[in-house]
Amino acid sequence: NAGVMQNPRHLVRRRGQEARLRCSPMKGHSHVYWYRQLPEEGLKFMVYLQKENIIDESGMPKERFSAEFPKEGPSILRIQQVVRGDSAAYFCASSPEGPYGYTFGSGTRLTVV
Amino acid sequence: AQSVAQPEDQVNVAEGNPLTVKCTYSVSGNPYLFWYVQYPNRGLQFLLKYITGDNLVKGSYGFEAEFNKSQTSFHLKKPSALVSDSALYFCAVRDIARGGATNKLIFGTGTLLAVQP
Repeated sequence: NAGVMQNPRHLVRRRGQEARLRCSPMKGHSHVYWYRQLPEEGLKFMVYLQKENIIDESGMPKERFSAEFPKEGPSILRIQQVVRGDSAAYFCASSPEGPYGYTFGSGTRLTVV
Repeated sequence: AQSVAQPEDQVNVAEGNPLTVKCTYSVSGNPYLFWYVQYPNRGLQFLLKYITGDNLVKGSYGFEAEFNKSQTSFHLKKPSALVSDSALYFCAVRDIARGGATNKLIFGTGTLLAVQP
């Protein structure tokens, strides 16, 4: 069981470019969550998805950010026209149905230059 | 809205001494509470959870947590700290939406535990 796989581990983008972050959940997990971690700010919820459905996107910025979890393939967090303030660690987690808590991936560290 | 608070940004303890990392919660209904640990440049790892049952919950690496309903607290404890326990610790609570409990977790701001040799 490979756990939650995130790639890339590190991503450098120039201002204005697009960033695509991928997350493959653990086998048997149907729920995916994305969090952003900024220094001194803790872990902020962004979006919660199930296959082909966005369940809760209350933490997503209104512009430039989008997420999907297609029927086949990994979940994708997409940031268009990145700005320096988007530099952060982005963590994906997955869970089965029920109060079992999450399994986290190792994160993608995005640096915007 | 559901929330957790970790009142200490950092906790310092000497190796071999007991440690406590504090967490208080605010929820409507019965809380589902979790502790996670994050080592430098790594993802978060699950330590333990409280859903129901005994107020003292035992978890990984010798950690335990005590659920206290009257004080709305869920403090993380370990009888004897190790230098290798030095890490960032997060408390979390399961969110409740209009339709009931969801799978979404709300995290505290984290407490940095520093164990000195």
